[in-house]
Amino acid sequence: DAGVTQSPTHLIKTRGQQVTLRCSPKSGHDTVSWYQQALGQGPQFIFQYYEEEERQRGNFPDRFSGHQFPNYSSELNVNALLLGDSALYLCASTQIDRGRELFFGEGSRLTVL
Amino acid sequence: GDSVTQMEGPVTLSEEAFLTINCTYTATGYPSLFWYVQYPGEGLQLLLKATKADDKGSNKGFEATYRKETTSFHLEKGSVQVSDSAVYFCALTRDRGSTLGRLYFGRGTQLTVWP
Repeated sequence: DAGVTQSPTHLIKTRGQQVTLRCSPKSGHDTVSWYQQALGQGPQFIFQYYEEEERQRGNFPDRFSGHQFPNYSSELNVNALLLGDSALYLCASTQIDRGRELFFGEGSRLTVL
Repeated sequence: GDSVTQMEGPVTLSEEAFLTINCTYTATGYPSLFWYVQYPGEGLQLLLKATKADDKGSNKGFEATYRKETTSFHLEKGSVQVSDSAVYFCALTRDRGSTLGRLYFGRGTQLTVWP
């Protein structure tokens, strides 16, 4: 049973560029959340998707956007990258109306130069 | 707003020592509380949780009790092992629905256990 998988594992971008990160939820899960974890900090909630719609959003600017596909996989897009966007981006999945635990992927490490 | 404060690390212990990692929270209402663990090179894993006051969560020898009067959820283990070396995160959610949504995490505490 595959857990939450994320790609790429590492990537380097320069300021002003755009990035897309991908996430496949755990088998049987239909809800995906994204978190940003800066170095030495705890994860911060970006947003959550269910039925291809954004259901909850944290305190992140509109440069951060997402998408969920019919197969429940998800993408996180960040436009106009800033140095401060360098972080580990974590995807977590659960099951709507049943999920009382979030399952996390290993993350995508983004470095912005 | 909602927040979690954890004791700063790193924490270094010898094998079989007693572990306490302090966690206090600020939240309106009645949040659910969690401890997550992140082993090197792996994603976050749920270690234990408690959903109401005086509940005790436990798993793998770790315990934490939801204390509403002190707004705390301290993690304890009586005898740590080298394999417990990891980063531990305290977290809360105010989502009371059946689907877990937004979690608020503390900064994490690095634990290193020496043989």
